[in-house]
Amino acid sequence: EPEVTQTPSHQVTQMGQEVILRCVPISNHLYFYWYRQILGQKVEFLVSFYNNEISEKSEIFDDQFSVERPDGSNFTLKIRSTKLEDSAMYFCASSPLSWLAASTDTQYFGPGTRLTVL
Amino acid sequence: SQQGEEDPQALSIQEGENATMNCSYKTSINNLQWYRQNSGRGLVHLILIRSNEREKHSGRLRVTLDTSKKSSSLLITASRAADTASYFCATDYNYGQNFVFGPGTRLSVLP
Repeated sequence: EPEVTQTPSHQVTQMGQEVILRCVPISNHLYFYWYRQILGQKVEFLVSFYNNEISEKSEIFDDQFSVERPDGSNFTLKIRSTKLEDSAMYFCASSPLSWLAASTDTQYFGPGTRLTVL
Repeated sequence: SQQGEEDPQALSIQEGENATMNCSYKTSINNLQWYRQNSGRGLVHLILIRSNEREKHSGRLRVTLDTSKKSSSLLITASRAADTASYFCATDYNYGQNFVFGPGTRLSVLP
């Protein structure tokens, strides 16, 4: 069964450094998402992406964050200058293009990347 | 703002018992989904219930949705130790543009 993959599984970085988290969504999906989960807290939406542009973003997704689909398979989240409070699990998700059919579908989540900012 | 809230925050039961978790939300939704997360792992989709549905079953899972009360429940019957995980409800109010997750219920099933 196809699945979303994420690399690396764990990223350790120094405060102020840039990090890029990578995701490979399911191949025929067209909507992509990033979420984060601070340890012990709930999953928070960051951004959704469709047709090579951001569809929606949350208040968390400030100028320090950016997303990109550099090629036909990867979907990346970049944090320009990491802060201690960016330490969290970051989940990528993808879903088929179903909203145009006025129905909604589930999002398929990757295993997550644990980001530790020191 | 839309927000899912689960209760209880933590639930501990014996193997074989049923576990019921509840989720409440604040505004109209398109669908509601339940996810499971094993400690430190990714989110696994369990079941989706649309706003025009009242009940869905999947194996030992039963989900109900009451849009008048803006609430949903997840029932796991005949629980097993392997069901030990955190369970999250996620509300979709914007046609899949994003989900809003509740804080989750930590379920412990004791052998």
